[in-house]
Amino acid sequence: DGGITQSPKYLFRKEGQNVTLSCEQNLNHDAMYWYRQDPGQGLRLIYYSQIVNDFQKGDIAEGYSVSREKKESFPLTVTSAQKNPTAFYLCASSIPGKGAGANVLTFGAGSRLTVL
Amino acid sequence: DAKTTQPNSMESNEEEPVHLPCNHSTISGTDYIHWYRQLPSQGPEYVIHGLTSNVNNRMASLAIAEDRKSSTLILHRATLRDAAVYYCILRYEKSNNNDMRFGAGTRLTVKP
Repeated sequence: DGGITQSPKYLFRKEGQNVTLSCEQNLNHDAMYWYRQDPGQGLRLIYYSQIVNDFQKGDIAEGYSVSREKKESFPLTVTSAQKNPTAFYLCASSIPGKGAGANVLTFGAGSRLTVL
Repeated sequence: DAKTTQPNSMESNEEEPVHLPCNHSTISGTDYIHWYRQLPSQGPEYVIHGLTSNVNNRMASLAIAEDRKSSTLILHRATLRDAAVYYCILRYEKSNNNDMRFGAGTRLTVKP
């Protein structure tokens, strides 16, 4: 079955450490996204990528970095510069472009990061 | 950029229809209206989307106002499993940067 796999599901980090969250999809989607969700809040866009080797900042990119070396993979690194990294992180993918079927998002199950 | 406005919360009784409203008064002519829902501790899932005409699928119906400034997600018979946060978002056609931005959504509570 096609889908998006995020790992790890739960992650604990000490302050000052970088951590990388994995996102892998086998849907053959060109576009991938990272969102952050704080308790009781909606989703905020961190980064998105429409094609391999290209990505764009979202609304809250500071303190985060991404890479898109392969179509299937879009890892997110939470750096020590992110002042409040404890949150639920969601990865999504879609077929980009225009038209009725484009940009229907498929989400992963999420990764919950806690900074101790 | 066009934004959406939704009530923070709504309640419904089980087995009754639910109408979830969304206002998008600055929508552009080619912006699609998407709805997603998020169950507790899970990633959001796609529900339905449309452009101008009303749409139906196995999960829900989407009614779009004639002027497209508002839309309503209709759950025909709410079940306890429909308790979730429902997000209405717009997909911008005017640029090739298909960034998808979510608001706070509507938290639906279904009472038995």
